[in-house]
Amino acid sequence: DVKVTQSSRYLVKRTGEKVFLECVQDMDHENMFWYRQDPGLGLRLIYFSYDVKMKEKGDIPEGYSVSREKKERFSLILESASTNQTSMYLCASREGDSRLNIQYFGAGTRLSVL
Amino acid sequence: AQRVTQPEKLLSVFKGAPVELKCNYSYSGSPELFWYVQYSRQRLQLLLRHISRESIKGFTADLNKGETSFHLKKPFAQEEDSAMYYCALSGEVSNTGNQFYFGTGTSLTVIP
Repeated sequence: DVKVTQSSRYLVKRTGEKVFLECVQDMDHENMFWYRQDPGLGLRLIYFSYDVKMKEKGDIPEGYSVSREKKERFSLILESASTNQTSMYLCASREGDSRLNIQYFGAGTRLSVL
Repeated sequence: AQRVTQPEKLLSVFKGAPVELKCNYSYSGSPELFWYVQYSRQRLQLLLRHISRESIKGFTADLNKGETSFHLKKPFAQEEDSAMYYCALSGEVSNTGNQFYFGTGTSLTVIP
C-alpha cells in the first residue's frame, strides 16, 4: 500500500510565524502535491512538484512556498502565517507514469493560525 | 480553463433509495475523470475512475462527453455511503505532468 505521511495532524501557530508542513511518501512517486481543503471550496491546489527540485504553482500559491530536496519529501512553507491560512492541508503523491494516474493522499494537517 | 462543477453541496437520501451525485466538467481536450471519497475521520481516497469502467461499492459513473458529465450513481444507498464525495478531472500530460482539478464536493447523508 502507498503511504503518504504528514508529520502533524493538528498545528496551532501565531500570526507572523514561519510554518513548515512536512509530507513523506514511501512509493518512489515522482509527483507530489499540496492542497488546502475548505468547506464549500473543495480542494484547491497550492503547489505541485513533478521531480526533485522542480515545482509548479497551482491555483492559490500566494503566501506559500515549497521545497523538494529529496524525492520522498515535499514541504509546504508559510513564510509568515496569517489567519486566512487557517485550513486543512492535504498532501498527495502520484506515480509519474500517466497511465497510473491516481493520487494518494495523506491524512491531512489541520492548521489554525491565531 | 478547466473546471469541475458539483452543483449540490449537501444531499440527503433515505437508506435503500437511489442516489445520484452530479458532476459536470469543462475541458478543451480529452480528460480523465475520477470520483474521490472521504469518509468521516479517514483520508481522501479514490472511489472510481472512468477509464476503469467498473463498479466500486455499488457505485458507477459514466462519462458523457456530449453533456460533459460524470455523475455518480448507486441504485440502493447504504448508511455507510455517508461521506464527502469529490469529482476530479485530470488533463492531458505535459512535460510537467498533469494537474488534477477537484470540484467543491458533495456531502452525502444516508438517513436510516
